[in-house]
Order: sequence, then structure tokens, then C-alpha cells
Amino acid sequence: DSGVTQTPKHLITATGQRVTLRCSPRSGDLSVYWYQQSLDQGLQFLIQYYNGEERAKGNILERFSAQQFPDLHSELNLSSLELGDSALYFCASSASWTGATYGYTFGSGTRLTVV
Amino acid sequence: TQLLEQSPQFLSIQEGENLTVYCNSSSVFSSLQWYRQEPGEGPVLLVTVVTGGEVKKLKRLTFQFGDARKDSSLHITAAQPGDTGLYLCAGAIRDSNYQLIWGAGTKLIIKP
Repeated sequence: DSGVTQTPKHLITATGQRVTLRCSPRSGDLSVYWYQQSLDQGLQFLIQYYNGEERAKGNILERFSAQQFPDLHSELNLSSLELGDSALYFCASSASWTGATYGYTFGSGTRLTVV
Repeated sequence: TQLLEQSPQFLSIQEGENLTVYCNSSSVFSSLQWYRQEPGEGPVLLVTVVTGGEVKKLKRLTFQFGDARKDSSLHITAAQPGDTGLYLCAGAIRDSNYQLIWGAGTKLIIKP
């Protein structure tokens, strides 16, 4: 157990639907990062929150949004889902506003399948 | 555009052999990290290197950071099936506000 909790582990939904992925960071970590990983692809950075504020944005589609709540858990909302959104979605956390020194702790991911 | 290139993309070798995986960029990194990811799981941090020329060892794994802090290598001695996985390098660049830049990964398979 890495200390980062992601739910649900698996999600199957239809095109056009909306889903919410949830992440609880490791205890004490203030930063939360969301990544997308498609089959046999590397990690694509989506967005980062630090202590409730958006800190950095990557290749996140306008159909996707995220937030970090006062208790530091984060949610990633995916709407108007398309077949191409099927992927593994990872949440990671770090203690500081950058993971440059001590790295990230990743959750086990949510596997999203859009049918 | 900062780019972090990993090579090879795929490597399949027999148990007991040695191997080296490379991570290269034209950018200077303030730090560089290596992660291993197993199928269906999140990446797990193996090591962080911060000083040019630094060498770190983790059992049979040896990590080296280039003198100019633009490249890194991961050497595995006497590979075992348990070393199978996707190896990812990630570097932090000051000009990108220390956001981690990720390589595409090296998929390693160790055959018994």
C-alpha cells in the first residue's frame, strides 16, 4: 500500500457519460497530480493541485476538470466521454509543491473503459 | 520543447544477463528520478539523483547521473524475472518550474 488511495479501481461506462475519479493523497502530502496512461503509452500529465489551489496544467482536455478539497482529497471529473478516453488514470502525491527532490507516490490507478 | 528520450523502448533478455537503460535530454536537470511500473499498478520511485556524476546503487541496480546533468543510465546486473516492468525516468527542470518531465519508458522483460 503506497498510501495514495484511488477509487474506483475499475470503471466501465458508455460514450457521452460523465464520471468522477477520486484520490486521497498520502498522509501529510499537500500536492496531488493526475496522469493519464493509455495502452503501451507513457504518462501524460493532466493537472496538479497544491494545498487546494491549481498549480500546473498539462494536456488536460476541456471536457476534464479537477479540484482539491480542504481535506486535500482530489477528484477528476471526465465528461462527454469518448472511446479514446479509455485509459489508466493515476493520481500521485508529494509533500511539497514540486516532487523534484523526494519524488511522487502513485496510487494504483483507475482503469476507465468507455464502450 | 523539453524532451526526455529513453532507450531502448523495449528489451527482452534472459535471466542472469546484464543490461543498461538510458535517459537523455538536451536540457539540464536539477534532479532526475527513476521509477518502475508493473502491469496494472502505479509507478514506484526507485531513486533520485541530484549531483552531476552521482552514482547510486540499489542492490543489483546502479544509477548514474551524467556530469552535465543531461543524461542518466540504469544498469541492472544479473537480471531476474522480478525485474520485469516498465522503467520510467523523470527529470525536473528549473525553467519548467521544476515540473517533472517524463520519458516514454523502457519495457523490460526478463525471461527465466
